[in-house]
Amino acid sequence: TQLLEQSPQFLSIQEGENLTVYCNSSSVFSSLQWYRQEPGEGPVLLVTVVTGGEVKKLKRLTFQFGDARKDSSLHITAAQPGDTGLYLCAGVNKGSSNTGKLIFGQGTTLQVKP
Amino acid sequence: DAMVIQNPRYQVTQFGKPVTLSCSQTLNHNVMYWYQQKSSQAPKLLFHYYDKDFNNEADTPDNFQSRRPNTSFCFLDIRSPGLGDAAMYLCATSSRTARGTEAFFGQGTRLTVV
Repeated sequence: TQLLEQSPQFLSIQEGENLTVYCNSSSVFSSLQWYRQEPGEGPVLLVTVVTGGEVKKLKRLTFQFGDARKDSSLHITAAQPGDTGLYLCAGVNKGSSNTGKLIFGQGTTLQVKP
Repeated sequence: DAMVIQNPRYQVTQFGKPVTLSCSQTLNHNVMYWYQQKSSQAPKLLFHYYDKDFNNEADTPDNFQSRRPNTSFCFLDIRSPGLGDAAMYLCATSSRTARGTEAFFGQGTRLTVV
């Protein structure tokens, strides 16, 4: 059972377009994180959302945490080729908070063409 | 300065020959993880330590073992590597903060089995 469902799994767009990636679950998470991974490297933390309804902005990236803390979205405005990479949502669901088990969604591979 | 360090970056091993991957951290985090990642897929959790408590995933093959001799170091032992074990192996650490659980990854070890 996949606790975090991420969509879409693949996205190929032209430079300048906007896009949204979704991360959904039936479980409640105390927080969710978004990571970006480039080929041959480890994932790098972009942001953590903690409060239901929270919106965080990181330049052209906007992250939102659902009111019920079961889902999150990542919106990129005016995508650039440098945004190309694997985007991962991750979290520790409330049932695993005592063990620190961090799980990932399936990932979204984004390709931005110049 | 690197906070989670994995050695080596690239490892080539023979089919069936035991191999050990290492990870060290300077963050003093209480949780350490080992993930297996295959091409364009999300990291798959193999096991993790919460302090000294070892948490094995149900679908992690017995071929994979781990040791954590102290807070700073964690090892992944593959007793008899098969061709299907060729992958990127990621080590990560985390601790619980007011912002939730945020993980920091090493650069990974790319394992090739010949």
